[in-house]
Amino acid sequence: DAGVIQSPRHEVTEMGQEVTLRCKPISGHNSLFWYRQTMMRGLELLIYFNNNVPIDDSGMPEDRFSAKMPNASFSTLKIQPSEPRDSAVYFCASSLGTSGRGGQETQYFGPGTRLLVL
Amino acid sequence: SQQGEEDPQALSIQEGENATMNCSYKTSINNLQWYRQNSGRGLVHLILIRSNEREKHSGRLRVTLDTSKKSSSLLITASRAADTASYFCATGRDYGQNFVFGPGTRLSVLP
Repeated sequence: DAGVIQSPRHEVTEMGQEVTLRCKPISGHNSLFWYRQTMMRGLELLIYFNNNVPIDDSGMPEDRFSAKMPNASFSTLKIQPSEPRDSAVYFCASSLGTSGRGGQETQYFGPGTRLLVL
Repeated sequence: SQQGEEDPQALSIQEGENATMNCSYKTSINNLQWYRQNSGRGLVHLILIRSNEREKHSGRLRVTLDTSKKSSSLLITASRAADTASYFCATGRDYGQNFVFGPGTRLSVLP
């Protein structure tokens, strides 16, 4: 299995630009998570989906952030417009839920996207 | 939220020694998981222990759970330089509620 795939691995952009991060979860997994990691705030859950439906987006910092999961094999996290404080490593993770709305099972993380907003 | 809180924040030991990290949480849980993160990489799942279990082993890892004290410990025996990483606990409560990662313990194993 290829594991969780994220692209790009690195992104450098200028303030005000739109940034789109992509994630392909492990085939067969039904939950997908987006995290942001910084030295100051640690690992923060931004949003998670179960069966392509957003379950909890309370961690999304503000309206500049949006996430979609059009199908079981693809998700995007978009920041528009980007700001320097969005600089962080963004991780996508997936899991296989056995019941309920998921979120409890072992999560498999992608390698992350390192974002730098100048 | 039921955030786990790891202790200590940083730990430095010699190769061959045992390393113990602790995790405390606030509410009742269904399970508790430990993850490892090597520098610049994603988190890797190490072990899951359910609320009705008290101890679990996986290779050189030993995890204990004390639900009465709302705490867990991760023991790495005979540590190696390759164990140098950050270790996170994550607690899960009810289905439909995601679990939350603590700030982590940074372990340095010196050769």
